[in-house]
Amino acid sequence: EPEVTQTPSHQVTQMGQEVILRCVPISNHLYFYWYRQILGQKVEFLVSFYNNEISEKSEIFDDQFSVERPDGSNFTLKIRSTKLEDSAMYFCANIGSGNTIYFGEGSWLTVV
Amino acid sequence: GQQVMQIPQYQHVQEGEDFTTYCNSSTTLSNIQWYKQRPGGHPVFLIQLVKSGEVKKQKRLTFQFGEAKKNSSLHITATQTTDVGTYFCAGCRSTSGTYKYIFGTGTRLKVLA
Repeated sequence: EPEVTQTPSHQVTQMGQEVILRCVPISNHLYFYWYRQILGQKVEFLVSFYNNEISEKSEIFDDQFSVERPDGSNFTLKIRSTKLEDSAMYFCANIGSGNTIYFGEGSWLTVV
Repeated sequence: GQQVMQIPQYQHVQEGEDFTTYCNSSTTLSNIQWYKQRPGGHPVFLIQLVKSGEVKKQKRLTFQFGEAKKNSSLHITATQTTDVGTYFCAGCRSTSGTYKYIFGTGTRLKVLA
């Protein structure tokens, strides 16, 4: 089965610091997503990215967040000036043909 | 904005009992997908339903998409301990060629041996 790879698997950061989460998507997939899951809660949509630009974003995805595909392969989520409530599992996801969403293993962010 | 709710939030069943989770969207969906997430894991795709009234089966799992394409259900017959996890529906809204998936609130299933 195709794999979406995320790094780091776990990051602890001080409040106010910037964090970059990285995703290596499945090749030839066109749609990229970032989702967030606070411990014990549902999976929340953050942003979708298509054709090298943001196609849609949620209310959660404010100016603190940004996404990039800097080298045409990796897909990054940057969180500036982290807050305690940013602590969550962040999932990268891709869609290929057939609309199946493939999730990465997730990056667990802890803000202290 | 679009909301997708699931009930129940939690369910404990004895092994061998049946289990059903219901998913309701505030808006009409293009399609709906179901995912299973084991504790500590990531959501894993189970199935996609596209057509109004569609019913699909995977072994002991039966998935149904409502006629109005706003609700769906997942039924597990004769649960096993391996069915433990949280089941999420994800409703898709397709606009201008882009796809936005909103996940339901999830139903956490515990199966007691």
